[in-house]
Amino acid sequence: DAGVIQSPRHEVTEMGQEVTLRCKPISGHDYLFWYRQTMMRGLELLIYFNNNVPIDDSGMPEDRFSAKMPNASFSTLKIQPSEPRDSAVYFCASSLFDEQFFGPGTRLTVL
Amino acid sequence: DAKTTQPPSMDCAEGRAANLPCNHSTISGNEYVYWYRQIHSQGPQYIIHGLKNNETNEMASLIITEDRKSSTLILPHATLRDTAVYYCIVRPQTGANSKLTFGKGITLSVRP
Repeated sequence: DAGVIQSPRHEVTEMGQEVTLRCKPISGHDYLFWYRQTMMRGLELLIYFNNNVPIDDSGMPEDRFSAKMPNASFSTLKIQPSEPRDSAVYFCASSLFDEQFFGPGTRLTVL
Repeated sequence: DAKTTQPPSMDCAEGRAANLPCNHSTISGNEYVYWYRQIHSQGPQYIIHGLKNNETNEMASLIITEDRKSSTLILPHATLRDTAVYYCIVRPQTGANSKLTFGKGITLSVRP
């Protein structure tokens, strides 16, 4: 298996633009997690899904952030409009039992 | 969730055992201890977890004290590739439906 796949790996955009991050979980995994990592706040859970249904989105910072999982093999995290403080590395992870498998991350820079 | 306390950093010599401590004095009976690590610029990687018995796998050993208030992750023969941030996490239950709450972790530097 290729592991968790995230795209793009790097994204540079300007303030106010819409940004869409993509994730393909490991086949057969029924949980999907979105995390954000910054120097100031460390690694934070934003939202997670079970069987494509959002379970807990309490970590989503504000209404500018939204996440969807239209099917078991694809999820998106959208930021609209983006702001410089959204600059971070965004990780997607998936799991079936106890172990979460993380993707390589998307490094987002908002100018 | 119970909180964990880890020293900010430590180092060890290549080939020697690395013993990474973690305090979790408020851990409750149904909470497990998990260890993940994050090598620079990569996503976190699961290492090991346990409830009260010592655990060993191909990567590491986990020693949990009898009162479960602290634990030690042991990398038996550290290599340069083990240089990473190691996170000790206490989790309410097994199963993917419980969150992982990452703290600051401990930065392990393995020197040649």
